[in-house]
Amino acid sequence: SYVLTQPPSVSVAPGKTARIPCGGHNIGAKGVHWYQQKPGQAPVVVIYSDSDRPSGIPERFSGSNSGNAATLTISTVEAGDEADYYCQVWVSGRDQVVFGGGTKLTVL
Amino acid sequence: QLQLQESGPGLVKPSETLSLTCAVSGGPISSPSYYWGFIRQPPGKGLEWIGSFYYSGTFYNSSLKGRLTISVDTSTNQFTLKLTSVTVEDTAVYYCARGGLFGDSVDYWGQGTLVTVSS
Repeated sequence: SYVLTQPPSVSVAPGKTARIPCGGHNIGAKGVHWYQQKPGQAPVVVIYSDSDRPSGIPERFSGSNSGNAATLTISTVEAGDEADYYCQVWVSGRDQVVFGGGTKLTVL
Repeated sequence: QLQLQESGPGLVKPSETLSLTCAVSGGPISSPSYYWGFIRQPPGKGLEWIGSFYYSGTFYNSSLKGRLTISVDTSTNQFTLKLTSVTVEDTAVYYCARGGLFGDSVDYWGQGTLVTVSS
């Protein structure tokens, strides 16, 4: 089965840039989506199809995907960005939806 | 505005069947552009996709295959999850959700419902 690997935690100071990686075999050939989940809430998509932002998501959120790693980048991090972040892909042919294990972003 | 709402028992005994229904309003579940299904999250852990359906069939997480059935009622715009032979490891918040076919993101989620497996 296809596996997506994320670090359990990332810490960043306010105003700095956070980068959250998501590793997977040849993930660059797939469309990667990123979700933000705050405590007690359902996840919300913040980046879809590698680098597109839904309406209402700040421009501070961006994404990239190449080779065996995708990255969610949050620039000028704010306290309100503290949350769990999950990457996700669709494995075509097998029709499987796969999530990464999630990364807890801590704003110092 | 599309809305999804889960309903079902909050407590299930080990070895019994977990049954949850997702009621959808604001759009038809028969749309050929989307898949619909369930995602769960054990307490303090990550997201796990369970299974989904779309216009041409159902597809399930291979780790749950054999215990899982998703059925659809287009007349009431609802779909139902049945997970048999549950154990404490099936304790989780269960979300119903909609995703775009052909690899698009999960764009709508229900609020989630906690199901606890305990005797």
